[in-house]
Amino acid sequence: LAKTTQPISMDSYEGQEVNITCSHNNIATNDYITWYQQFPSQGPRFIIQGYKTKVTNEVASLFIPADRKSSTLSLPRVSLSDTAVYYCLVGDRMDSNYQLIWGAGTKLIIKP
Amino acid sequence: EAEVAQSPRYKITEKSQAVAFWCDPISGHATLYWYRQILGQGPELLVQFQDESVVDDSQLPKDRFSAERLKGVDSTLKIQPAELGDSAMYLCASSQTSIFAEQFFGPGTRLTVL
Repeated sequence: LAKTTQPISMDSYEGQEVNITCSHNNIATNDYITWYQQFPSQGPRFIIQGYKTKVTNEVASLFIPADRKSSTLSLPRVSLSDTAVYYCLVGDRMDSNYQLIWGAGTKLIIKP
Repeated sequence: EAEVAQSPRYKITEKSQAVAFWCDPISGHATLYWYRQILGQGPELLVQFQDESVVDDSQLPKDRFSAERLKGVDSTLKIQPAELGDSAMYLCASSQTSIFAEQFFGPGTRLTVL
């Protein structure tokens, strides 16, 4: 079964670029990698999704190496409002069953 | 903007009592998920519906938990009897299709079992 590993917490400062890496050593070959953001007392919110190489949207970039054993979420020029928990989500297939595997989350704290 | 609705937002109950949570997904979303999130941990999928059918309930403690989505729209998650260890946030999410689609989460129900 696939397993994801993320740093428990990270600190950074306003205006900096923040990179959060998730290791996922055994995801299914045709599955996407998705990242979510969660604020306290709220449900997670979709940030970005990718399959390979690099994906960019208006809020983040996602880098996925060729072996797809990890992915890096990049947040450019963070602000205080980016303080949140960030989760990577991958899928795994065991026999004919498909399961969603959430990481334990990375608590990102942005300082002024 | 359409949102996933959940009720109640907070529930306090005593152990051995029955509790029920309700979720109304975004209109047109065929896939509905129920998650349990313990404080400080990531979401744990309890059950996934595609329309009215259960796709995955492998992590649902079936001796005490049940879930239904009778008409393929809104859904109810029930716990009977509740145990102290069930205290958590229960999140509902929906998506247009299954597997890779973006999931839209509701605000959750915070359950406290005394």
